[in-house]
Amino acid sequence: KAGVTQTPRYLIKTRGQQVTLSCSPISGHRSVSWYQQTPGQGLQFLFEYFSETQRNKGNFPGRFSGRQFSNSRSEMNVSTLELGDSALYLCASSPRTAAEQYFGPGTRLTVT
Amino acid sequence: GNSVTQMEGPVTLSEEAFLTINCTYTATGYPSLFWYVQYPGEGLQLLLKATKADDKGSNKGFEATYRKETTSFHLEKGSVQVSDSAVYFCALIFQDSSYKLIFGSGTRLLVRP
Repeated sequence: KAGVTQTPRYLIKTRGQQVTLSCSPISGHRSVSWYQQTPGQGLQFLFEYFSETQRNKGNFPGRFSGRQFSNSRSEMNVSTLELGDSALYLCASSPRTAAEQYFGPGTRLTVT
Repeated sequence: GNSVTQMEGPVTLSEEAFLTINCTYTATGYPSLFWYVQYPGEGLQLLLKATKADDKGSNKGFEATYRKETTSFHLEKGSVQVSDSAVYFCALIFQDSSYKLIFGSGTRLLVRP
């Protein structure tokens, strides 16, 4: 079974721009979660989707948003980028609620 | 609040040494516990899991036992290899509506030949 895939793997953007990251979960997994990883803050939860519904959201500003499609693929969007948004963004999928999560390779976002 | 505490790194060992990485948690209920590993430039890989007290998770020579009485989930390996050099994360998730993994800060392991 193919793992979680994320595109693009690397991205360089300028302050004020917006960005969209994509995630394809493992086949059959309906839960998709997003995390931000930075050296200073570690791994922080952004949001979780199940069957196109956002069930939980982390403590991030409204500039961070996401969605899930009927095929379980998910996207996250960050608008009005700030330097502090530079991070590794990780997507994870899960076969059921509160179970183990399987991570993709991440998208490395650099904001200049 | 719910949290996970890991020992500070880096942990530096010689090949074939015994490894212990401590992990304790604070939780209002009974979470499922996990160890993830992250190699340079990669995402997180699930290493092992335990879903209830006294469960032992194991994989690739690594083991961890869910100890409810000490709220701990320490990672152990009897003989480490250079290829085990990575960052290890302890994490928990609740069997409720939170849907999110709560991670420790990570422990970097460096194994020297």
